[in-house]
Amino acid sequence: SQKIEQNSEALNIQEGKTATLTCNYTNYSPAYLQWYRQDPGRGPVFLLLIRENEKEKRKERLKVTFDTTLKQSLFHITASQPADSATYLCALDFSGGYNKLIFGAGTRLAVHP
Amino acid sequence: NAGVTQTPKFQVLKTGQSMTLQCAQDMNHNSMYWYRQDPGMGLRLIYYSASEGTTDKGEVPNGYNVSRLNKREFSLRLESAAPSQTSVYFCASSHTSGGYSSYNEQFFGPGTRLTVL
Repeated sequence: SQKIEQNSEALNIQEGKTATLTCNYTNYSPAYLQWYRQDPGRGPVFLLLIRENEKEKRKERLKVTFDTTLKQSLFHITASQPADSATYLCALDFSGGYNKLIFGAGTRLAVHP
Repeated sequence: NAGVTQTPKFQVLKTGQSMTLQCAQDMNHNSMYWYRQDPGMGLRLIYYSASEGTTDKGEVPNGYNVSRLNKREFSLRLESAAPSQTSVYFCASSHTSGGYSSYNEQFFGPGTRLTVL
């Protein structure tokens, strides 16, 4: 079965630096990959979606890359701010675009002033 | 627009009791989903409904049943609650019912925190 791995340890960075989070998966590549943000006690909030035929996607200070050879996605937050502190989840669709997602356990990001 | 709403926010049950978690969305979405989230684990899909009138099992359906009452509402029922069902339950919805659409982002509700004693 498919397995998704995200860094289980929290990522601590200084304000203004670039945060890079990793999402690795096994077996075959998904139709697309999504990144969500989750704050404590709240539901996940969608950030970005990247398709299997796309290498990179950007949205404001966020950038996602998708390398189907390495079976890896990287999620970057540039010029990070304390307000970016949250848990970030990657989710993959292995159902051929039918939106049945498999989520990673998430990486907690802490941005320190 | 309220987005995705869930009731109740919190619930404590005794082993063997039953309950229904309610979910509603006002975005005219076709697809709806139920997930559970346990500490240290990702969200796991329990059931989903690709469109009104259809439901299908996800990764962890045992011990649960669902009803897609209409396009807006999707309920999750625990017939005989067990301590292993202690979790946070999230409902979500999305625009598309399938295919390589641009609208596959999922919108999540605030969650129901369920404890089974």
